[in-house]
Amino acid sequence: DTAVSQTPKYLVTQMGNDKSIKCEQNLGHDTMYWYKQDSKKFLKIMFSYNNKELIINETVPNRFSPKSPDKAHLNLHINSLELGDSAVYFCASSQEGLGPPNTEAFFGQGTRLTVV
Amino acid sequence: GQQLNQSPQSMFIQEGEDVSMNCTSSSIFNTWLWYKQDPGEGPVLLIALYKAGELTSNGRLTAQFGITRKDSFLNISASIPSDVGIYFCAGQLYTDKLIFGTGTRLQVFP
Repeated sequence: DTAVSQTPKYLVTQMGNDKSIKCEQNLGHDTMYWYKQDSKKFLKIMFSYNNKELIINETVPNRFSPKSPDKAHLNLHINSLELGDSAVYFCASSQEGLGPPNTEAFFGQGTRLTVV
Repeated sequence: GQQLNQSPQSMFIQEGEDVSMNCTSSSIFNTWLWYKQDPGEGPVLLIALYKAGELTSNGRLTAQFGITRKDSFLNISASIPSDVGIYFCAGQLYTDKLIFGTGTRLQVFP
C-alpha cells in the first residue's frame, strides 16, 4: 500500500488554466506538506497543515491554495497557471509536525507539472 | 529562502569506491536529516541526527552531526550501482520547517 499518494503523476496544461493536485496519506499522520522542486532540484516548502489547520504558508503566490478536507488529505489548487509554475510538486506527511523523535517526513512520488 | 550548501554538486565514481559529501549552513540546527531521491520518485529518509557530534550508521551509510551544529556529513562505503540518485541534507531548528540542501548527484559506474 502506498503511504503518501499523489494524483496525477504528470500534468500538462496551458497557461491561464486552473488545475488541482490531490494528495492522500494512509499513515495516520497529523501533518501534511506541499513542497516544490524546481528544474535545479531545489526543494522548498510551500505549505504545512496540522489537523486541517494551516501552519506554514511560505511566500507563495495566492494563486496557490491548499485545501485540507480532513487530516488524511491535502489538495493543492492552482489558478491562472504560469510558465514559471512548471516544477515537480511533492506532498509529504509526518506525525505531529517535525521534531525529534518524529522528524521523518514521508514523501509522495511527486506530480510533474508542465505549463505550456 | 534559506538553502543549505551541499558539496560536491555531483560525483562520478566507480563501483566499490567510498563516497563523502557534506552540507553546511550559516545558522545552527538541532536536527539534521539525509534523504535520497531516485529518479521519478520522492525523497526517502536515510539517516536522522539529533545531537551535535552524533555519528549514526545505516548499513553502508554513515552520517555525522557537526560539532558546530552548522554542518553535517554523509559517507557511503563500497558504493554499488543502486546508490545512484540525488542526496539531500535537511536541517531543522526545533519544530521549524525543514530547510533542504542543494543536493549532491551521485553517479556510480560498474
